[in-house]
Amino acid sequence: GEQVEQLPSILRVQEGSSASINCSYEDSASNYFPWYKQEPGENPKLIIDIRSNMERKQIQELIVLLDKKAKRFSLHITDTQPGDSAMYFCAAIPNNNAPRFGAGTKLSVKP
Amino acid sequence: EAAVTQSPRNKVTVTGGNVTLSCRQTNSHNYMYWYRQDTGHGLRLIHYSYGAGNLQIGDVPDGYKATRTTQEDFFLLLELASPSQTSLYFCASRTLSNERLFFGHGTKLSVL
Repeated sequence: GEQVEQLPSILRVQEGSSASINCSYEDSASNYFPWYKQEPGENPKLIIDIRSNMERKQIQELIVLLDKKAKRFSLHITDTQPGDSAMYFCAAIPNNNAPRFGAGTKLSVKP
Repeated sequence: EAAVTQSPRNKVTVTGGNVTLSCRQTNSHNYMYWYRQDTGHGLRLIHYSYGAGNLQIGDVPDGYKATRTTQEDFFLLLELASPSQTSLYFCASRTLSNERLFFGHGTKLSVL
């Protein structure tokens, strides 16, 4: 199975509402969990990350939560805007192994 | 910001063709990775390297070879390209001590 599972694959929300993306991972050695936003024709861009010594991190409208015991982490975008429409990827990175990515979430924010 | 350069940006070849994708980083990064991106699958790890001369097998290695000739250069080789290898390929790198990844701009490969 997938080493990093990401859900949902498609997410449609109304402008101003919140959007949540959930990921789970298998490798208990994972200690760094970045989130990437990818616009069409572009490479993935890091938007926020969290390390294993934290449970919550917020940068403006982006919130990431990490539950190491459950091996789950999530991205929450509050007050979504049409400019938030994009593909989003989570990743789990162990210090001693290669990064694995989720399958991606296509977020559409409708005005 | 660290720079990772991929070439070519676009490549079209025929089934059975020989293709080399190049990735160069001048950030003194130890780790380099090759991923393919396909709809519904996200970024899947093909091969990676911990340093010059080192190669590690990823999750979807079939049909691909890789070579890390120097600290800076990591190549992905498709010796007998197949249509199933039509994809968007990304190279990424990072340092030994920091897990943050830096991505190239991608190579779009079409195998006809």
